[in-house]
Amino acid sequence: NAGVTQTPKFQVLKTGQSMTLQCAQDMNHEYMSWYRQDPGMGLRLIHYSVGAGITDQGEVPNGYNVSRSTTEDFPLRLLSAAPSQTSVYFCASSYFGSMNTEAFFGQGTRLTVV
Amino acid sequence: AQSVAQPEDQVNVAEGNPLTVKCTYSVSGNPYLFWYVQYPNRGLQFLLKYITGDNLVKGSYGFEAEFNKSQTSFHLKKPSALVSDSALYFCAVRDDRGSTLGRLYFGRGTQLTVWP
Repeated sequence: NAGVTQTPKFQVLKTGQSMTLQCAQDMNHEYMSWYRQDPGMGLRLIHYSVGAGITDQGEVPNGYNVSRSTTEDFPLRLLSAAPSQTSVYFCASSYFGSMNTEAFFGQGTRLTVV
Repeated sequence: AQSVAQPEDQVNVAEGNPLTVKCTYSVSGNPYLFWYVQYPNRGLQFLLKYITGDNLVKGSYGFEAEFNKSQTSFHLKKPSALVSDSALYFCAVRDDRGSTLGRLYFGRGTQLTVWP
């Protein structure tokens, strides 16, 4: 049981480049989400999904795109990278049937945009 | 909207002493509260969650949390701190209604340092 798997672990991009951060979970969780973590700001929600084919915006969606074609995968796309997107990105998944269930997090992707 | 506040950015405690990491919450529905821990260069790990009716909740690694409805608090505690407890701790609340159903709201995090 792998849990939540994120790739890559590290990435350096040039301004204007695009890339996709991968996230996969093997727990059959309906709810998946992407966060960014910046010093002193906690975790901020970028996008989330309550099931295959359904996505919605979080607090800081600008510059990011998501899709959910399967229950297992929830990739995050950076359309045109900017230095302000330098951050650590976490994917999480959880069961959606009860609000009293914990989320499981990936190990994170450390992204630097130069 | 739901929110949590962690009033202390840093907590320092000597090994063997009790520790408390504070969290207060604001919810419009039921309080679905969680504590997570993050070790350096790692993802967040679940520690414990509030269970309705239990004012003292026990979790992993000897941690517990005290729920106080009148003070809207959910403080994380441990009777005897270990150096290995040094990490970043996050309190979170999960939304249970409306268009934001299921969303997790995190505090800013509290860096716990336990010195030998």
